[in-house]
Amino acid sequence: GQNIDQPTEMTATEGAIVQINCTYQTSGFNGLFWYQQHAAEAPTFLSYNVLDGLEEKGRFSSFLSRSKGYSYLLLKELQMKDSASYLCAVRFNTDKLIFGTGTRLQVFP
Amino acid sequence: EAGVTQSPTHLIKTRGQQATLRCSPISGHTSVYWYQQALGLGLQFLLWYDEGEERNRGNFPPRFSGRQFPNYSSELNVNALELEDSALYLCASSRDGQETQYFGPGTRLLVL
Repeated sequence: GQNIDQPTEMTATEGAIVQINCTYQTSGFNGLFWYQQHAAEAPTFLSYNVLDGLEEKGRFSSFLSRSKGYSYLLLKELQMKDSASYLCAVRFNTDKLIFGTGTRLQVFP
Repeated sequence: EAGVTQSPTHLIKTRGQQATLRCSPISGHTSVYWYQQALGLGLQFLLWYDEGEERNRGNFPPRFSGRQFPNYSSELNVNALELEDSALYLCASSRDGQETQYFGPGTRLLVL
């Protein structure tokens, strides 16, 4: 199969740092995406990793380890507006994008 | 640059009817993808069209079908609607099958 696993829910406080993990089966791996989805809205693109290492984009960073089938999304200086679902999606050789069920992050003041 | 657009925003149908959902990709994008997001579930891949052809299909029955037009816009048709088809249907587009997908606002389908 091509399962994508990520925690269902996480909570954090404003100003803190949170790390959302994503694991996947490595066979046929061809890129990993992170999307943010606010309630009742469409997912918006956050980051793309295809090589090992850390990609930084402002307060958000994404890390990939292809050999371990592991990625994380790091959110720094959390703000209330960061409360949303974060979707990990992996593209496999067939070019089909498989999404995890998403991690719902709640940021408290 | 305009984003992905979808119509209608909401659709209410009864069991057994047919639904047609429409999507216009970002200008310059040739690939269109359809996803179903049922309440509490993740995005489930439905269909991928590129250059007018169906490139890939998810694990959905044949009553889910679609097409892509010469201007790269796309239609998703769902026949013989069932209650469990109630969901948010999202369309995404990309420059080609290798590029980042950008999502439209979705069509919320309710089957009564």
